[in-house]
Amino acid sequence: DAKTTQPNSMESNEEEPVHLPCNHSTISGTDYIHWYRQLPSQGPEYVIHGLTSNVNNRMASLAIAEDRKSSTLILHRATLRDAAVYYCILRGYTGTASKLTFGTGTRLQVTL
Amino acid sequence: GAVVSQHPSRVICKSGTSVKIECRSLDFQATTMFWYRQFPKQSLMLMATSNEGSKATYEQGVEKDKFLINHASLTLSTLTVTSAHPEDSSFYICSARYGTSGGCGKNIQYFGAGTRLSVL
Repeated sequence: DAKTTQPNSMESNEEEPVHLPCNHSTISGTDYIHWYRQLPSQGPEYVIHGLTSNVNNRMASLAIAEDRKSSTLILHRATLRDAAVYYCILRGYTGTASKLTFGTGTRLQVTL
Repeated sequence: GAVVSQHPSRVICKSGTSVKIECRSLDFQATTMFWYRQFPKQSLMLMATSNEGSKATYEQGVEKDKFLINHASLTLSTLTVTSAHPEDSSFYICSARYGTSGGCGKNIQYFGAGTRLSVL
């Protein structure tokens, strides 16, 4: 299975941008990069996903390195409601690789 | 985004009883649903993959006779924890996959809010 590496925790001030890194050096050509987040005592929430090009949506932006071995989730203006565990997950085309397998993620703390 | 409803949100039961958890996709049809379990301060662990109209596929180490999964329709999957014991106390989360075309890699999964099971 292709795996990802994320920092255990990060801190941010409210209203500041946050860049959450993810390394995935063994990514295969058909793996999509997915980001989910989990707020305390809730189920995970889809944030964004991409394959090769950078992606933007109302929640965040996803910057993917040219060699695809790393990516960065960007929250443009962090709020207290963004405090959560953020998971970077590779999702393959089929079979075992297509399962959404959660690692330990990055716990984001947002302070005033 | 799409909505997945999970019920109940919390259940407390006596040891030896069975508990059923329902997972519904409210605004889309889901041929594939997933059940996860999460212990305190740990990440989500996939328990099984549920396909509509067929038997569920269980992950290694998950007892299929203890965790019964039924996916009888395109919008409903149920997980029954049979003869629950205190060690089954956990946060159970269901998920439904949205979209099936073009391979699974790009498909988004939507999650329920989770069910916290406490077995006394």
